[in-house]
Amino acid sequence: NAGVTQTPKFRILKIGQSMTLQCAQDMNHNYMYWYRQDPGMGLKLIYYSVGAGITDKGEVPNGYNVSRSTTEDFPLRLELAAPSQTSVYFCASTARGQISNQPQHFGDGTRLSIL
Amino acid sequence: GNSVTQMEGPVTLSEEAFLTINCTYTATGYPSLFWYVQYPGEGLQLLLKATKADDKGSNKGFEATYRKETTSFHLEKGSVQVSDSAVYFCALLVSGGTSYGKLTFGQGTILTVHP
Repeated sequence: NAGVTQTPKFRILKIGQSMTLQCAQDMNHNYMYWYRQDPGMGLKLIYYSVGAGITDKGEVPNGYNVSRSTTEDFPLRLELAAPSQTSVYFCASTARGQISNQPQHFGDGTRLSIL
Repeated sequence: GNSVTQMEGPVTLSEEAFLTINCTYTATGYPSLFWYVQYPGEGLQLLLKATKADDKGSNKGFEATYRKETTSFHLEKGSVQVSDSAVYFCALLVSGGTSYGKLTFGQGTILTVHP
């Protein structure tokens, strides 16, 4: 019963470094999402994917990239880390036929600090 | 566009007190409404949902009624416990078209319950 698994849980980066946040789900969900959570700001959608090979921008995509080569995995890439990207990142997924009943299953998050 | 507004927090209560967290929304279509809960160090979990006007969602002693006339979905609990301390998010989903299950979140309300 893994659900949505995110790695790492914590990471500190220096300005200008790059890294990939990993997200995997074992529920055969079509749709996957990346959010960032800033204090007092709720969750903002960065990118989403409706299936392998298909991705699209959300509300705040600048500074990030994604890929979806398999149904299970949806990694988020930061190419040139900036202090403004310090945040908690959540990955979520859902099945096309379950949207109204269980809209999204969330991972436990990755806490990222850029110094 | 779609938006969700939650009452300003944080909210601090004593155990067994009555809880209300206000949530109002604007939506271009007929949304489904949700409350998510985030316990410390964890991802978001679906707490309850309502998919049409006058529906009442309930779970773990929490309730919320979908009020179309006031565009509201206020969360209530008659007697809170210390274990209810968490961040609560109101969210909406407008199904169909190119929504692809994307949720719109409020900014979250921090609830702290003291013994």
